[in-house]
Amino acid sequence: QKEVEQNSGPLSVPEGAIASLNCTYSDRGSQSFFWYRQYSGKSPELIMSIYSNGDKEDGRFTAQLNKASQYVSLLIRDSQPSDSATYLCASAKSSGDKLTFGTGTRLAVRP
Amino acid sequence: DAGVTQSPTHLIKTRGQQVTLRCSPKSGHDTVSWYQQALGQGPQFIFQYYEEEERQRGNFPDRFSGHQFPNYSSELNVNALLLGDSALYLCASSLENRDYDIQYFGAGTRLSVL
Repeated sequence: QKEVEQNSGPLSVPEGAIASLNCTYSDRGSQSFFWYRQYSGKSPELIMSIYSNGDKEDGRFTAQLNKASQYVSLLIRDSQPSDSATYLCASAKSSGDKLTFGTGTRLAVRP
Repeated sequence: DAGVTQSPTHLIKTRGQQVTLRCSPKSGHDTVSWYQQALGQGPQFIFQYYEEEERQRGNFPDRFSGHQFPNYSSELNVNALLLGDSALYLCASSLENRDYDIQYFGAGTRLSVL
């Protein structure tokens, strides 16, 4: 079982729709969770970080964390073609710890 | 404010050769982590440097070594290159002693081993 699992996709949504990306993790010791966006051929860019159960909103992005069920999700509202990228979910056990990544979910927003 | 910078951008080597990749952390950051990202995969942790010491290490062979300098910049060295070492090598920097430190990535070095 991989430590962080994501559906590789592609997830295809129409422009303006809500894109829902999911991630599960196996290590209950994980404390910090991150969503990175990676355009093809580029490096990962931090979108959201979340540390406590519940929702965290930042603009069109909402991260959700449920430690009891060991899942993290990212909602993108009003999806735009520029959101088309691979979204990487990552976890860490503590501050300063290494990041453990999933394989990423490819999102395609069609005009 | 300069972000994380990596050099070179691209590199082509042949099997058996050695390579050195370089990273300068974001201004004010003191911790550097290196990751390897194969095509279609998520980044895999290689090692992390703090106060010029290797603090954590992932599941990579001893052919992978590194160094951190007093100015917090870092190098990744790979000896006896294999075809399977072809990947995007990412450097990430962060600031120690914060409650939740975020790792910021550089643009990466794409290594091709022929």
